Amino acid sequence: AQKITQTQPGMFVQEKEAVTLDCTYDTSDQSYGLFWYKQPSSGEMIFLIYQGSYDEQNATEGRYSLNFQKARKSANLVISASQLGDSAMYFCAMRGRGNQGGKLIFGQGTELSVKP
Amino acid sequence: DAMVIQNPRYQVTQFGKPVTLSCSQTLNHNVMYWYQQKSSQAPKLLFHYYDKDFNNEADTPDNFQSRRPNTSFCFLDIRSPGLGDTAMYLCATSSGQTSYEQYFGPGTRLTVT
Repeated sequence: AQKITQTQPGMFVQEKEAVTLDCTYDTSDQSYGLFWYKQPSSGEMIFLIYQGSYDEQNATEGRYSLNFQKARKSANLVISASQLGDSAMYFCAMRGRGNQGGKLIFGQGTELSVKP
Repeated sequence: DAMVIQNPRYQVTQFGKPVTLSCSQTLNHNVMYWYQQKSSQAPKLLFHYYDKDFNNEADTPDNFQSRRPNTSFCFLDIRSPGLGDTAMYLCATSSGQTSYEQYFGPGTRLTVT
């Protein structure tokens, strides 16, 4: 079975510092995709970054980068220069087995609080 | 701007009173999803449509139904809501096999009293 594990229920970071949110996954598929979403208190899920299993380079999107270590099955999110607006819930997700529909399997999330 | 719209944003319904949640998209995506997210939990997929093909998750209660009359619209019907159905309901879309990203709507917060 496919599974996503986020072991940090909550994290604190000082404004302008970098923070790493952990994510490990389990799958027997050779081809898969890994995602990070941000969910503010308003509830909307905001796509941040994507990493394909065959991508050799780590994905980056602005202040977000994904530290992909395939052998360790980890896909940690790094946020550089944290801002107050980064305070939110962060979910790691994996595209599910099979191609039809592209079902996402989510981890339990990490609540990030940025301190001024 | 192209987007995923959900109505209403907040809904309160009584125990056992049917309720319908609406989702529309201007992205012309093939796939539409409904997720249920209870407080402090991860989103859980209820079902999805790939074009007109309906795909139900094995553990989705029969109380939950869905309709997709056309590409743009998808509805979630809860026939007899229970207190345990109080949750955020998220609609998402994607273009299908070749696109990995799912675009989410703002969600509907449903409270069953």
